[in-house]
Amino acid sequence: QSVLTQPPSVSAAPGQKVTISCSGSSSNLGNNFVSWYQQFPGTAPKLLIYDDNRRPSGIPDRFSGSKSGASATLGITGLQTGDEADYYCGTWDNTLSAVILGGGTKVTVL
Amino acid sequence: QLQLQESGPGLVKPSETLSLTCTVSGGSISTSSYYWGWIRQAPGKGLEWIGNIFYRGNTYYNPSLKSRVTISIDTSKNQFSLKLTSVTAADTAVYYCARHGRQVVRARYYYSYIDVWGKGTTVTVSS
Repeated sequence: QSVLTQPPSVSAAPGQKVTISCSGSSSNLGNNFVSWYQQFPGTAPKLLIYDDNRRPSGIPDRFSGSKSGASATLGITGLQTGDEADYYCGTWDNTLSAVILGGGTKVTVL
Repeated sequence: QLQLQESGPGLVKPSETLSLTCTVSGGSISTSSYYWGWIRQAPGKGLEWIGNIFYRGNTYYNPSLKSRVTISIDTSKNQFSLKLTSVTAADTAVYYCARHGRQVVRARYYYSYIDVWGKGTTVTVSS
């Protein structure tokens, strides 16, 4: 069981918006930045968001991140079939002195 | 462009030690801007962070694996390595090496976001 809690799956129609939640505690998300990763089957994850809401070069602005207290959200607007993937949140945990990752959320485009 | 490449045996016997090396190309491992680490993914499961290391040798480990894990670094070869002892079938996974970026929180440095990943290498634990 992950320290960071994500819903196992979310879905929406093409063109719609989905949001993925990531819930933690004051030991981690409440006091540290969140990052988000996208992973297609059989490939390495890719960084989508870091420092709560910053996008690396090349990541489209359809992907956005936000955080409030110990909860974070990844938003994907203008959903495309190519967005079908697993998404993970991550952060530092001050109590564990370790990087922690959420259990992952599968996005399905209906 | 920075690239990371994992190497090591794809098959390890139970109770033995898993050893992997990550070779970094296109940039120096000897930088204060990043930590270098390992993440694994068991078949059909999520990502599990194993640990990371600074070029000066400072390390952090996943508490659940700490008793069995050692991460080391060789700046002369631009490589870092993972050793996991007393492996069981539960250690069967794809192992990724990765670069961890630096963040500043209340004037302290943390290295928690992973911005460059290797392609991953599959390690099977079986007799």
